This record gives sequence, C-alpha cells and structure tokens, in this order.
Amino acid sequence: EAGVTQFPSHSVIEKGQTVTLRCDPISGHDNLYWYRRVMGKEIKFLLHFVKESKQDESGMPNNRFLAERTGGTYSTLKVQPAELEDSGVYFCASSQESPSTDTQYFGPGTRLTVL
Amino acid sequence: AQSVTQLDSQVPVFEEAPVELRCNYSSSVSVYLFWYVQYPNQGLQLLLKYLSGSTLVKGINGFEAEFNKSQTSFHLRKPSVHISDTAEYFCAVSTMAGGGADGLTFGKGTHLIIQP
Repeated sequence: EAGVTQFPSHSVIEKGQTVTLRCDPISGHDNLYWYRRVMGKEIKFLLHFVKESKQDESGMPNNRFLAERTGGTYSTLKVQPAELEDSGVYFCASSQESPSTDTQYFGPGTRLTVL
Repeated sequence: AQSVTQLDSQVPVFEEAPVELRCNYSSSVSVYLFWYVQYPNQGLQLLLKYLSGSTLVKGINGFEAEFNKSQTSFHLRKPSVHISDTAEYFCAVSTMAGGGADGLTFGKGTHLIIQP
C-alpha cells in the first residue's frame, strides 16, 4: 500500500510568485492534515480536512494560503503571493476515519524556499 | 493549549551505547503523547504512543518511552543504538489519541547522531 506522497519534493521560487503543493493521502483515508516546519522551529498544524470539507484551518498563517481537497482525494496548498517567511518544509498527513483515534501517517514533505 | 519542549537539538552517541532523548510537555488537560522519527528523505513515522495504562511504552526498532505525569515528561530511550538510528526524533502531544481535529503539537525535534 502506497504511503502519503507529496509533490514536489523541493521548490525554489522568487518572492511574489505563486506555488502549489500537492498531497496524495493514503487511499481511503478521510482525514488529511497540513503542517509546516519553519527552520529551527516546531512542526506546526495548519489545517484539517475530513473528505472535502475543511474542519479546522486555525493554523493557516494568513489569507495568502489556500488549501483545497478536490473530491475528498488529493489536496493542494497554494501560496500566493509567496513571501520570504513562507520558506520551510510543508508536511501532509492522513488518517483513516476518526481523527480522535486513528494514527496520522506523514508524507516526506515539500521543502519550499522563497528567495 | 499544549506545548512540548525538547531541550536537546542534537545528541551524539557512540554506536551500541544507550541513549535517552528528553521530552517535557505542558498542558492544562490530559494529553496523549507520541514520538515520531524522520529518517533522511522520508516522512515522519510513528515510533510509539502513550494512550493509557502502563507508563512504559514499547515501540518499534527497540525504542521505549516512559510517561511520568508528575514530571510531565515522556523521555525516549534505547539501550543500544545502531548507525541506522541516525534520524531526527519528534515528541508530540494531543488531546486525542489520533492527534485530533486540530492536529498534533510538536517539539522542535532532536537530531540523534550515531558515531561509529
């Protein structure tokens, strides 16, 4: 069974450009999470989907970030326009059915560098 | 709100020596505790978690952790490390066993560096 996959693995963009990160969760997993790790800091929760619905986006830094989950399958996280402080590693995780009990499985992350 | 402190950013250890990675947490409510590991170029993998019951939790790859409620700690230990244990280790807490709808709260991570 394939794990959580993320694309691209690395992205280098200029300040002001737009970048879209993609996450494919484990097949059949209803819950999808986005996290971010800024260099030297903790991994921080960004938002949570149940199928195609956003449940909690309290961790989203600002309105330059837009997350979607088309048809409850893969998810995209768009940053527009990107700023220097958006650099970091963006992780995606998925869990099966219950966010209360089911283990979160993480992808390898996308390393975003904004110059 | 919860917070996690991993005081050691790096821990160098000789191969076959024992290791302890420290984790302290703060929370006004009961929490569940997790250790994740990230090997180079891979995603975070769950090592072990404490939900309830015995305070000594055994995980994969020979790791174990002990929950100490009075000291609000959840230190990770291994009696004899191998070069393949070189990785970054993350302690995390949540108010739910699965991490919850609002996600896991992580510490900053500890790099375990195994020296031959």
